[in-house]
Amino acid sequence: EVQLVESGGGLVQPGGSLRLSCAASGFTFSDHYADWVRQAPGKGLEWVGRIRDKAHSYTTEYAASVKGRFIISSDDSKNSMYLQMNSLTIEDTAVYYCARGIKYTEVYYLAYWGQGTLVTVSS
Amino acid sequence: DIQLTQSPSFLSASVGDRVTITCRASQGISRYLAWYQQKPGKAPKFLIYDASTLQSGVPSRFSGSGSGTEFTLTISSLQPEDFATYYCQHFNNYPITFGQGTRLEIK
Repeated sequence: EVQLVESGGGLVQPGGSLRLSCAASGFTFSDHYADWVRQAPGKGLEWVGRIRDKAHSYTTEYAASVKGRFIISSDDSKNSMYLQMNSLTIEDTAVYYCARGIKYTEVYYLAYWGQGTLVTVSS
Repeated sequence: DIQLTQSPSFLSASVGDRVTITCRASQGISRYLAWYQQKPGKAPKFLIYDASTLQSGVPSRFSGSGSGTEFTLTISSLQPEDFATYYCQHFNNYPITFGQGTRLEIK
């Protein structure tokens, strides 16, 4: 069974940093694309970024709102993905979900999701 | 960036009703569109991909259609468990974006 478990959320001050983890079970992370998606309190879903699989050299894509501040990475030995978040602002307050891609036709859709971890940026 | 606009943003309906949600893209996205269902406090659930193909395990009362810039999600006969918020998402290029969501509530 595919499972994704996020961790690392919490309270951080504006300007601070935080690293989220997404631990996978039931599959090998390096064989799949994976994304981070966030949801601010009471708001809609916002795509944060993507890391491709090992075959595509783990290259990444980011939303403009986080580019240059957030970094997505993965660790094969831990079968996990990470979101390093720097220079955090109040607008980054959200539940952060990791999601695993599944390839249909030419596209990697987000078929499996974790339960989310809450990040609160506040002084 | 491609903008996705869902309509309506809010929909009130009764059990047994047929409802349709529209998702319009600011430019053509072929059929690279997915639909998700989200209930309060829960992660989104993947329903439909390639605009019209049901993910395994999704009830057949859900259907999707469209291509290019206009897409629809239809629920043929609402069940109590269908009351939730629905989102479309495109995968045509980067950045990937979501629609703003459609909240479906019980009348």
